[in-house]
Amino acid sequence: GNSVTQMEGPVTLSEEAFLTINCTYTATGYPSLFWYVQYPGEGLQLLLKATKADDKGSNKGFEATYRKETTSFHLEKGSVQVSDSAVYFCALSDTSTGNQFYFGTGTSLTVIP
Amino acid sequence: EAGVAQSPRYKIIEKRQSVAFWCNPISGHATLYWYQQILGQGPKLLIQFQNNGVVDDSQLPKDRFSAERLKGVDSTLKIQPAKLEDSAVYLCASSLAGQFYNEQFFGPGTRLTVL
Repeated sequence: GNSVTQMEGPVTLSEEAFLTINCTYTATGYPSLFWYVQYPGEGLQLLLKATKADDKGSNKGFEATYRKETTSFHLEKGSVQVSDSAVYFCALSDTSTGNQFYFGTGTSLTVIP
Repeated sequence: EAGVAQSPRYKIIEKRQSVAFWCNPISGHATLYWYQQILGQGPKLLIQFQNNGVVDDSQLPKDRFSAERLKGVDSTLKIQPAKLEDSAVYLCASSLAGQFYNEQFFGPGTRLTVL
């Protein structure tokens, strides 16, 4: 079946530190992969996506590369800011299941000045 | 462009009571989703509509949950009767069409507390 495994949180970093949030997946078809972000009190927003192997999604300084060989889609940012404090969700959508999304459990990030 | 609208934002009820949530998707979005997000977990799909038809409701607890999208625009999710374990945030999302690569746009959610 389809599933997403995300690294446990919470994660606390100092401003300008390097961020990695690990995400691995299991899929029966040919998935698209997504990172969504949820800021306090707000709904989920798409951060970036990749629709095929070796694609790199990027937005707001965040990057993630679709690695089929390791079934991974790790989120990275070179220098985090306080405003990046949020919960980050990795998700997949699989060709075999229409547009149903499977979400990870979320990783809470707090960036301290 | 207006986003996905949901109401109410918060609801507190006692177990065995009924509750209904409303969602208005982004204009022109044919696909509408309802998710349940329990604290500390990722969203779990309850039901997916394509226009006014149900595409997937395999994870909807049909003995107590129901949803409709009669005119293919806004949608209502109902719980009757509610149980303690239904306490969660109920998220509505929409997308242009049910393609696997399409972005889903989420509303702010309704936080339900069942006492």
